[in-house]
Amino acid sequence: SQQGEEDPQALSIQEGENATMNCSYKTSINNLQWYRQNSGRGLVHLILIRSNEREKHSGRLRVTLDTSKKSSSLLITASRAADTASYFCATDVYGQNFVFGPGTRLSVLP
Amino acid sequence: DAGVIQSPRHEVTEMGQEVTLRCKPISGHNSLFWYRQTMMRGLELLIYFNNNVPIDDSGMPEDRFSAKMPNASFSTLKIQPSEPRDSAVYFCASSLAGGTSYEQYFGPGTRLTVT
Repeated sequence: SQQGEEDPQALSIQEGENATMNCSYKTSINNLQWYRQNSGRGLVHLILIRSNEREKHSGRLRVTLDTSKKSSSLLITASRAADTASYFCATDVYGQNFVFGPGTRLSVLP
Repeated sequence: DAGVIQSPRHEVTEMGQEVTLRCKPISGHNSLFWYRQTMMRGLELLIYFNNNVPIDDSGMPEDRFSAKMPNASFSTLKIQPSEPRDSAVYFCASSLAGGTSYEQYFGPGTRLTVT
């Protein structure tokens, strides 16, 4: 099974609403990253959060990390149609390579 | 900055043929990664280089796959012979340094179809 798994697999919301995606992982991590992938494109880095951090913000994005629960969440506030994409969390296994989860497909409807 | 450059963007080949995918990382980046993305298996790390040296190739599926990085500005991923199950999107990514404290910059990918 995956080191990191996003939940839900798919999410459909109306423009202006908030979108929350979760990532659960199994082993201890040093860092966790969130990426976005638009259809047919490469992944784009959104936020990196370290194991000693609990929350980070970047524009309309807010990421939280709960190492006791081995979970992270990505919140996109005031969503826009342009936020439609797949979102991936990437966790490092024992500080080695990043392992990407299967992703959450977000659809923001106008 | 041009970002990570991959070529070709699309490749269609017949089973048994050799396929070579190319990547130019961002200048100044010391780490390079090759990934494969499919619907069934998601995004898988195939191999990564640090300072042109292969560090971890445990994700390379089998001996048909090989990767090289002859210098800091160029890497290739070769599949020989190719098989239909190799059909996927192959991404190259680079980062400033090794480890997991740095973001990875992904190229646009090469969509490979093996018939």
